[in-house]
Amino acid sequence: GENVEQHPSTLSVQEGDSAVIKCTYSDSASNYFPWYKQELGKRPQLIIDIRSNVGEKKDQRIAVTLNKTAKHFSLHITETQPEDSAVYFCAASIQPPPMRFGAGTRLTVKP
Amino acid sequence: GAVVSQHPSWVICKSGTSVKIECRSLDFQATTMFWYRQFPKQSLMLMATSNEGSKATYEQGVEKDKFLINHASLTLSTLTVTSAHPEDSSFYICSARLRASNTEAFFGQGTRLTVV
Repeated sequence: GENVEQHPSTLSVQEGDSAVIKCTYSDSASNYFPWYKQELGKRPQLIIDIRSNVGEKKDQRIAVTLNKTAKHFSLHITETQPEDSAVYFCAASIQPPPMRFGAGTRLTVKP
Repeated sequence: GAVVSQHPSWVICKSGTSVKIECRSLDFQATTMFWYRQFPKQSLMLMATSNEGSKATYEQGVEKDKFLINHASLTLSTLTVTSAHPEDSSFYICSARLRASNTEAFFGQGTRLTVV
């Protein structure tokens, strides 16, 4: 089955800096790659997703890149703000879901 | 976006008892719902896929007789933790996908189960 690895497990940046989280997946048939943000005790919220026919997608300060050949995808957050502090999960699935999640990255943005 | 409601938000039960968790899609029909378990500071681990009108598909290592899943309608799936033990204490989250969609899944708010 699909195996998703995520790095780093923790990430601390200064407000205004950029943050990058990377994930790799094992199943080349996976074609849907969402990113979720989860605040403590709350449900995961979809922040951006990308499909395998696209190499990059951007939504304001958030962007995701996908390298199908290498089977990895990354989340980029620019101009980080303290409210970006949360746990971020990447996931991969062969459409339709279920999704397999990475281990998560705890992002701390210091004011 | 679509709304998925999970109930209860938290529950404390005695060891040996059973607990039922409900997952409802409020404004859409969901032929498929998913149940995840999340231990503190860990990832979401898929437990089972719940299909309306048929038996659930369990992930390897998940005991189907302990975690009973029923998906009786297009808007409701239930997870019953039977004979709960302290090691079953966890955060249980459901998600559902739109019937006509094969991409995004929407999450419930989760249920924190504590077994004492």
